[in-house]
Amino acid sequence: QKEVEQDPGPLSVPEGAIVSLNCTYSNSAFQYFMWYRQYSRKGPELLMYTYSSGNKEDGRFTAQVDKSSKYISLFIRDSQPSDSATYLCAMSAAGRRALTFGSGTRLQVQP
Amino acid sequence: EAGVAQSPRYKIIEKRQSVAFWCNPISGHATLYWYQQILGQGPKLLIQFQNNGVVDDSQLPKDRFSAERLKGVDSTLKIQPAKLEDSAVYLCASGWAGTTEAFFGQGTRLTVV
Repeated sequence: QKEVEQDPGPLSVPEGAIVSLNCTYSNSAFQYFMWYRQYSRKGPELLMYTYSSGNKEDGRFTAQVDKSSKYISLFIRDSQPSDSATYLCAMSAAGRRALTFGSGTRLQVQP
Repeated sequence: EAGVAQSPRYKIIEKRQSVAFWCNPISGHATLYWYQQILGQGPKLLIQFQNNGVVDDSQLPKDRFSAERLKGVDSTLKIQPAKLEDSAVYLCASGWAGTTEAFFGQGTRLTVV
């Protein structure tokens, strides 16, 4: 069993839709949670960073962490064609700063 | 602020040959990571440096991979000899000491034929 599970997609939505991306994990020591966006042939770009449980909002993006369920989500409101990319969840435990990544979900926003 | 710089962007080599990748992290970042990303998968940690010391190299195939970070700034990752399964994107990332956020470079796409 992988430490971090993520549905690979692809997920196809119309422009303006609300997108929900999710990851589950098995390691209860994870405390830091991140979402990265990766365009084709580019490096991952940090989108959202959350410590422990709770919600964080930044513009059209909202990250949620539910540690009791070992489940994290990223919501994108008013999705745009420019949001079409692969979204990677990543997490780490305190004291071990390297990130463990999910396999990524490919998102396509249709104009 | 300049981002993480990596070179080369692309490399094609034959199996059993050697190859080296270079990374220049964001100025002031003490932590440097090398990740391997195979097509369709998420990045997997190869090695983590704090300044010029190794923090974690537990997933580095040490019989063929080596990495160094002299003077605590630039880093090189070497593969010798390369295998077909080493075909992947090699990503370098850096971060501030004591933090978890990692900022990635564009990566080096390696094809072993």
